[in-house]
Amino acid sequence: GAGVSQSPSNKVTEKGKDVELRCDPISGHTALYWYRQSLGQGLEFLIYFQGNSAPDKSGLPSDRFSAERTGGSVSTLTIQRTQQEDSAVYLCASSLDVRGKRGANVLTFGAGSRLTVL
Amino acid sequence: GQQLNQSPQSMFIQEGEDVSMNCTSSSIFNTWLWYKQDPGEGPVLLIALYKAGELTSNGRLTAQFGITRKDSFLNISASIPSDVGIYFCAGQLGNYGQNFVFGPGTRLSVLP
Repeated sequence: GAGVSQSPSNKVTEKGKDVELRCDPISGHTALYWYRQSLGQGLEFLIYFQGNSAPDKSGLPSDRFSAERTGGSVSTLTIQRTQQEDSAVYLCASSLDVRGKRGANVLTFGAGSRLTVL
Repeated sequence: GQQLNQSPQSMFIQEGEDVSMNCTSSSIFNTWLWYKQDPGEGPVLLIALYKAGELTSNGRLTAQFGITRKDSFLNISASIPSDVGIYFCAGQLGNYGQNFVFGPGTRLSVLP
């Protein structure tokens, strides 16, 4: 697509439930990133996928968080047994990420999925 | 881990004034990006910098990649109401195959 698409745009859930957030990156972009933004805060790195390489999961805050990227395109971020502190906006970004090409690493963000855990 | 500091955290300025904000790190980066985020939206790229000392402009915006590769600044000239938002810097150690680290942001308010 023309831009990075995220769904749902808003999700309200009860504590303890599982949630899935979806990201559809720009067609042809090999790199995909998930960030978390708590209210009034900066962007916290969660996970990074690049092509067929093993993902960089170093930012995932706990084992309740996981993400997968199927077919090198769409990604799903799953949060199990949600807690109130998981409430935040979850932002997805993609980039072309081609070695040696100036500008290829620039991130394009989606509008985010706002998660509220009651 | 790598961390970026941004200053000021927030600023209130009069329409028409110039704005200056910066981003510093204890680590060296090879790419600096500046983003603006409007309420309810994802961050949008303003300027990308790839070389130490590089000075790049985009309309009323000017950004520079610090010589030490540990800092960058963003200037906005003749501010207008639509400049309101949160400005984030982001650094990447390489220019391929690595995640970006984001600063906490500078919140800009423009008074008419």
